[in-house]
Amino acid sequence: AQRVTQPEKLLSVFKGAPVELKCNYSYSGSPELFWYVQYSRQRLQLLLRHISRESIKGFTADLNKGETSFHLKKPFAQEEDSAMYYCALSSDRGSTLGRLYFGRGTQLTVWP
Amino acid sequence: KAGVTQTPRYLIKTRGQQVTLSCSPISGHRSVSWYQQTPGQGLQFLFEYFSETQRNKGNFPGRFSGRQFSNSRSEMNVSTLELGDSALYLCASSFRDSFFYEQYFGPGTRLTVT
Repeated sequence: AQRVTQPEKLLSVFKGAPVELKCNYSYSGSPELFWYVQYSRQRLQLLLRHISRESIKGFTADLNKGETSFHLKKPFAQEEDSAMYYCALSSDRGSTLGRLYFGRGTQLTVWP
Repeated sequence: KAGVTQTPRYLIKTRGQQVTLSCSPISGHRSVSWYQQTPGQGLQFLFEYFSETQRNKGNFPGRFSGRQFSNSRSEMNVSTLELGDSALYLCASSFRDSFFYEQYFGPGTRLTVT
């Protein structure tokens, strides 16, 4: 069964410190993985997806199929990064059927 | 472009009643998905519609149903409400017909069942 696990419910770091939000998944096929973010009083929005291999707002995420992980990293956290982060897995790999499976989310707080 | 809109934003209902929530996707988006968000279960997929057809459904009882209209607007209905149905209901739309692509979320409808 598909499952996305975010082991940390809360994560706090100081401004300028590195940050890593963990995400592990279980899926029998080849997953498509995403990070969605929700800033305070804003909507859930896409931050990045592994297929794009891009860096958004200084965040990167590498898919490690051996460890079934898709951790989100940023070398120098900023106060505006404080938000709820959700790791998500798409089960359809481009087909017309599927859904997004979400982790429980990690609330990141960056202290000044 | 205007974002995904959901109405109403807040709703209070009594056990046993039914409720209808509405979602208007971004113009041109034909895929609409619904999610239930609760503190206990997190974000859970309810169903997805594309071109007025339900293509996929999550593990929810038959009391949860939905539909999509020709203009891509979607409604979800919950009949015989239970206390456990209290949640934030999120709608998301996408231009493409696959979850491989970005989902655009609405602000949600907060349903409270008393």
